Amino acid sequence: AQKITQTQPGMFVQEKEAVTLDCTYDTSDQSYGLFWYKQPSSGEMIFLIYQGSYDEQNATEGRYSLNFQKARKSANLVISASQLGDSAMYFCAMREGGSNYKLTFGKGTLLTVNP
Amino acid sequence: GAVVSQHPSWVICKSGTSVKIECRSLDFQATTMFWYRQFPKQSLMLMATSNEGSKATYEQGVEKDKFLINHASLTLSTLTVTSAHPEDSSFYICSARVAGGPLPTDTQYFGPGTRLTVL
Repeated sequence: AQKITQTQPGMFVQEKEAVTLDCTYDTSDQSYGLFWYKQPSSGEMIFLIYQGSYDEQNATEGRYSLNFQKARKSANLVISASQLGDSAMYFCAMREGGSNYKLTFGKGTLLTVNP
Repeated sequence: GAVVSQHPSWVICKSGTSVKIECRSLDFQATTMFWYRQFPKQSLMLMATSNEGSKATYEQGVEKDKFLINHASLTLSTLTVTSAHPEDSSFYICSARVAGGPLPTDTQYFGPGTRLTVL
């Protein structure tokens, strides 16, 4: 079974609108971390946002916020006021407890921002 | 802060040769570094976990004699692809986990990647 599921291979959004990228995860651990990374066409993985399993509030970083619903095991990324430069591949990842900080990545969502 | 560099950014080599890729954390000390490979239009696959001063831990299916990893210091890890073949052509990315200080220790910061093409 996949540990990280991103069901949207591709998403389109109009510039200046908000977009939500879905991510569900599967773990039996109580302590874990969830991450979102952006990968533009250049290939570099850019860290966007982190949510710890014990964090009670949703993480926010500028235009990025993470909608963490623990009971549903979902960690959706919300990008507000999309910009053309947001067009990229987005990966959700999980670090499970006791895993030596290894990350398991989802298959990614390709976001295209239209002008 | 949290900058990770990789060198070279791309390399083309002949089949049978060895290629070394360096991964450096520039402004922080990295307790642990990771090596991934990524095929076109696919996700990242973890190859190995590298802890400073100890042997790397390889993921299942990764040949440790083919992909040699050395983590000599808290800021440098190297991946050597030995006797490279065309099927080893891929995008190799390293990441580093912060050892301490003001940055979140749970976060991995990635290098820009190395594109390897084996002819």
